[in-house]
Amino acid sequence: DTGVSQNPRHKITKRGQNVTFRCDPISEHNRLYWYRQTLGQGPEFLTYFQNEAQLEKSRLLSDRFSAERPKGSFSTLEIQRTEQGDSAMYLCASSPASNYGYTFGSGTRLTVV
Amino acid sequence: RKEVEQDPGPFNVPEGATVAFNCTYSNSASQSFFWYRQDCRKEPKLLMSVYSSGNEDGRFTAQLNRASQYISLLIRDSKLSDSATYLCVVNSPSGNTGKLIFGQGTTLQVKP
Repeated sequence: DTGVSQNPRHKITKRGQNVTFRCDPISEHNRLYWYRQTLGQGPEFLTYFQNEAQLEKSRLLSDRFSAERPKGSFSTLEIQRTEQGDSAMYLCASSPASNYGYTFGSGTRLTVV
Repeated sequence: RKEVEQDPGPFNVPEGATVAFNCTYSNSASQSFFWYRQDCRKEPKLLMSVYSSGNEDGRFTAQLNRASQYISLLIRDSKLSDSATYLCVVNSPSGNTGKLIFGQGTTLQVKP
């Protein structure tokens, strides 16, 4: 499968726990994006990587959130001390260049209880 | 004001109907425009890009009016399988990040 892969598909965690999600983009794509989507809303931008460099972060990405793409291939998104408001679908997307549409992964659905 | 605004609907139409969705965007410097389709609890998938001259893909027609900062999607001869949420998407022109800004989405329900 040459699409964007995200793991896990679902995560239920207790408030206050840390969680980490992984994204494997399409291998030729050097641009990687993380978005968050809540019910009834469109995806909201969180952060962007070009190769291993994190070039933009949204103000939505509080200090509890951190993302990495250490070798310019897969990426991880970690949320520390989760809160109920973090419950959402976390979507990863990749793109070969600007002005191209994205290919999204299936997302990781996080539920904080 | 939201950067990309759409009527959330829902639009309920019978099979075979023609339906149109509209979208406005706030940044006149945006250069790339798309429509994405999202099925319930699935990821968004690219439906079509939107070009200045307008473009068609089968039953789907997209149009762009840069002067009014307005994008539209027309679906002819609606099928049950067209039921989904349609997301209007524009690029963020700042920097060269390729960042895309998504509207809230418009929900379409096609009824038999």
